[in-house]
Amino acid sequence: DGGITQSPKYLFRKEGQNVTLSCEQNLNHDAMYWYRQDPGQGLRLIYYSQIVNDFQKGDIAEGYSVSREKKESFPLTVTSAQKNPTAFYLCASQGTTNEKLFFGSGTQLSVL
Amino acid sequence: GESVGLHLPTLSVQEGDNSIINCAYSNSASDYFIWYKQESGKGPQFIIDIRSNMDKRQGQRVTVLLNKTVKHLSLQIAATQPGDSAVYFCAETLYNFNKFYFGSGTKLNVKP
Repeated sequence: DGGITQSPKYLFRKEGQNVTLSCEQNLNHDAMYWYRQDPGQGLRLIYYSQIVNDFQKGDIAEGYSVSREKKESFPLTVTSAQKNPTAFYLCASQGTTNEKLFFGSGTQLSVL
Repeated sequence: GESVGLHLPTLSVQEGDNSIINCAYSNSASDYFIWYKQESGKGPQFIIDIRSNMDKRQGQRVTVLLNKTVKHLSLQIAATQPGDSAVYFCAETLYNFNKFYFGSGTKLNVKP
């Protein structure tokens, strides 16, 4: 979707397991974001990164971790500390501040 | 267009009619607003945006109206089509601020 690829589309996590969601963009955007979407609720910000090797916690960062080693990639790890991980996860990128976000197609994470 | 927990507000319209979807935003200092369309199981798609120095902006079949006095945003869709059926939500942000705040959305159901 718009140059942002998220994988996998569906992911299942066993109790105590860490899982990593992939997000890759070829839009040459500096800023990247991870959001969590629960049914009937607005998107909530997990982490964001404005530049390579730098990232900041969003509103619900507990139980998640990220890295930004390359401009194109911003993977999200859902750790075993996240007790309610079932949700639809969306990655987004932004070319410059004050511009619109471009979203990927999302990853649905469920707990086995 | 506000959240009512797990159940999104739903707007049902007949194909060919005009649709109006509303959003009450939270921060009077917000100066950039976006409307997104999200189909089931997919990532949000950008529809139209508006900055606070405008009160109306038109796109192809869509118009966004901004009323800063009452913190209200609306999306008008002309000649609604079955392909317009989706969840629509608004986003707001402040100039030079990295966080967007998202409404929970309104489900648009277009009857053929």
